[in-house]
Amino acid sequence: GQQVMQIPQYQHVQEGEDFTTYCNSSTTLSNIQWYKQRPGGHPVFLIQLVKSGEVKKQKRLTFQFGEAKKNSSLHITATQTTDVGTYFCAGPGGTSYDKVIFGPGTSLSVIP
Amino acid sequence: DTGVSQDPRHKITKRGQNVTFRCDPISEHNRLYWYRQTLGQGPEFLTYFQNEAQLEKSRLLSDRFSAERPKGSFSTLEIQRTEQGDSAMYLCASRENRNNEQFFGPGTRLTVL
Repeated sequence: GQQVMQIPQYQHVQEGEDFTTYCNSSTTLSNIQWYKQRPGGHPVFLIQLVKSGEVKKQKRLTFQFGEAKKNSSLHITATQTTDVGTYFCAGPGGTSYDKVIFGPGTSLSVIP
Repeated sequence: DTGVSQDPRHKITKRGQNVTFRCDPISEHNRLYWYRQTLGQGPEFLTYFQNEAQLEKSRLLSDRFSAERPKGSFSTLEIQRTEQGDSAMYLCASRENRNNEQFFGPGTRLTVL
């Protein structure tokens, strides 16, 4: 079945350093979504990418969808302690557009 | 609060008991999802509804799990004859028809002793 993978699993950075997490799907995706889950919290939607090669920015966060629509990345510039959490990518799963498959996430720790 | 709510927030039960969880989605959202999340993992899809119709159920879900959304509003997830491996956070999410953004509830943390 379809798999969504993310690397790295964990990342520890000094405050002010940049951070990148990568997401790879075993199949082509019609769209990809990114969510953030704070420790003890629930996932919160960040963004959706739809077009091949699409790049979207939200303040210090830059999201990119690969040309083949099988991979995506999230880059955070100059991390802050408020960026702490786990970042998940998610995409439509299998034959059902509505079923969503989440990656295992990248857990970000920011050292002040 | 107009967000997704779940009840109870925590449930401790003994192995073999049945448990039922409730999810109240955002009122205008016709799609409702159930996920299971264990420590260090992403949400694992269990099932989803469009209005009252259950359109897909994970093949990973055993027959001990059942979900309903009788009037197309709130939903319940029942686990029969719970096992220790069922211990997890059960998340509910909803979304509207034309937007893929899912809104998650706070989850129900199940502990099976």
